[in-house]
Amino acid sequence: AQKVTQAQTEISVVEKEDVTLDCVYETRDTTYYLFWYKQPPSGELVFLIRRNSFDEQNEISGRYSWNFQKSTSSFNFTITASQVVDSAVYFCALSEAFNNNDMRFGAGTRLTVKP
Amino acid sequence: DSGVTQTPKHLITATGQRVTLRCSPRSGDLSVYWYQQSLDQGLQFLIQYYNGEERAKGNILERFSAQQFPDLHSELNLSSLELGDSALYFCASSVKGTSGGAPDTQYFGPGTRLTVL
Repeated sequence: AQKVTQAQTEISVVEKEDVTLDCVYETRDTTYYLFWYKQPPSGELVFLIRRNSFDEQNEISGRYSWNFQKSTSSFNFTITASQVVDSAVYFCALSEAFNNNDMRFGAGTRLTVKP
Repeated sequence: DSGVTQTPKHLITATGQRVTLRCSPRSGDLSVYWYQQSLDQGLQFLIQYYNGEERAKGNILERFSAQQFPDLHSELNLSSLELGDSALYFCASSVKGTSGGAPDTQYFGPGTRLTVL
């Protein structure tokens, strides 16, 4: 079965620092989809990005960037010039193409950005 | 705001009781998913409904059940509640949620925090 590991339980940085959140996944499927969600202190889960296994191009959206490397089964998330509003729990998730009703989440990484 | 609504926001009840959580999906979405988020188990998929029919089951206890109504809103029923059922329950919705092929992106509601005393 698919599995997502976010080894970093908590990360604390000072504002304007860059920070990378790691995500390592396991799957037997050759076609799969990876996601990142943000859970701010208010509690809701906010969708950030979706990437399929055939698209290894890195993606940048403002201060956010994602590095997908199939060779290491990783889908890491970098926040550049972090801000206090980035403080949240970030979840990486995996959905296999032929079992796509069961999205597996990692345990999450709690990011605290201090002013 | 994802467009998914959940009520109530908070629920406090006693062991042995039964509660109903409600979810309205985004306009146009046919699939509804329920998740439980607890400190020890993390985020776990419970069940999915698509256009009124059960599509997939995850780690849902027999004491829990769900349904999706003709207007596409969904309810999650939790009965014989135990202390360990205290958690944040999320509903998510997506356009279709087919089996096989590209999965839809799921958009999550704000959650219902259930406290069992």
